[in-house]
Amino acid sequence: EVQLVESGGGLVQPGGSLRVSCAASGFTFSSYSMIWVRQAPGQGLEWISYISATTSPIYYVDSVKGRFTISRDNAKNSLYLQMNNLRAEDTAVYYCARVDWAPPHLDYWGQGTLVTVSS
Amino acid sequence: EVVLTQSPGTLSLSPGERATLSCRASQTVSSNFLAWYQQKPGQAPRLLMSGASSRATGIPDRFSGSGSGTDFTLTISRLEPEDFAVYYCQQYSSSPEWTFGQGTKVEIK
Repeated sequence: EVQLVESGGGLVQPGGSLRVSCAASGFTFSSYSMIWVRQAPGQGLEWISYISATTSPIYYVDSVKGRFTISRDNAKNSLYLQMNNLRAEDTAVYYCARVDWAPPHLDYWGQGTLVTVSS
Repeated sequence: EVVLTQSPGTLSLSPGERATLSCRASQTVSSNFLAWYQQKPGQAPRLLMSGASSRATGIPDRFSGSGSGTDFTLTISRLEPEDFAVYYCQQYSSSPEWTFGQGTKVEIK
């Protein structure tokens, strides 16, 4: 059974940093591209970062470029999102999702982890 | 940047009724790179449809998708109680970007 489990969310002050993780199981993690999607309270879905199975290429949405870094450790079946210089508008539930390319869609999602940026 | 506009924002229907959800793209969506997701309160989104019309594993056949180019539709033929949720369309383009619509809430009338 495919499982994606996020962790690492919490309360952080504006300007602070946080790293969220996504532990994958039930599939060959190293064969799949992964993506982070976030959802602000009461709002819709926004993709923020993509990483290929082999770590390159990597892409970000403009609003997080230069502040967020996506990475993965295929040996540990884990995906990460390092978030620096956090802003109030980064407050959201952060989901990791698996990419299926035939055709492109997100076939499995984690349960999400809440990041709250507030003083 | 491709913008997806979903309509209506909210659909108020009774169990057993037919639901028709629209997703319109600001530019042509390549090769039907259009997917639909369902999200219930407090839960992660769940894949319903990929390639505009292919149901994901385990999705009942009362769900169907259609459309091409810039206009796509998700139809639920007869609403079951568990179908009341928010539905999102999503497209992929090679910019790359993964764009979601703003969602349509299907609520019990």
